[in-house]
Amino acid sequence: EPEVTQTPSHQVTQMGQEVILRCVPISNHLYFYWYRQILGQKVEFLVSFYNNEISEKSEIFDDQFSVERPDGSNFTLKIRSTKLEDSAMYFCASTRDRGINIQYFGAGTRLSVL
Amino acid sequence: AQKVTQAQTEISVVEKEDVTLDCVYETRDTTYYLFWYKQPPSGELVFLIRRNSFDEQNEISGRYSWNFQKSTSSFNFTITASQVVDSAVYFCALSGPSYNTDKLIFGTGTRLQVFP
Repeated sequence: EPEVTQTPSHQVTQMGQEVILRCVPISNHLYFYWYRQILGQKVEFLVSFYNNEISEKSEIFDDQFSVERPDGSNFTLKIRSTKLEDSAMYFCASTRDRGINIQYFGAGTRLSVL
Repeated sequence: AQKVTQAQTEISVVEKEDVTLDCVYETRDTTYYLFWYKQPPSGELVFLIRRNSFDEQNEISGRYSWNFQKSTSSFNFTITASQVVDSAVYFCALSGPSYNTDKLIFGTGTRLQVFP
């Protein structure tokens, strides 16, 4: 069964460093998303992406964040200068049909900012 | 504004008990979608069900069933004859009409522990 793949599973970084979280969405999906879950809290929407453009972003997704689809398979989330409060689980999701909108999630990348 | 409330933070049951997880939502949209996701201890989010606002039929899938009631803005999830493998955090989520937004708005989740 096709799945969303995220790497790495755990990323440790120093405050102020740049990190790139990688995702390979399901191959025939066209809509991509990043969500964040701070430990013990709810899952929060960050950004949606379609046709090489951001469709929607939340207040959390400020200038420190960017997304990119550098090739036909990868979808990345970059945090330019990490802060302690960026420590969270980051989930990538994808869907084939925005109308039906069943978003399939990856296993997540746990980001620890020290 | 859209909001999802899962008032039950944690529920503990013994295997074979039935358990219902509550979900109450708020939205001004007439077209919207409701979801349940499961997050097992391994951490991934697993899709369980999607419902649109025009379909109030209850749904049953094996031991799982869902009760959608627009009159009370609720979308509750029942597990019949619970098993240890059902232990997980369960999230209810809401999204608005697709012409406007497709982001999922999650509740805070209910942690279900099923003991043998």
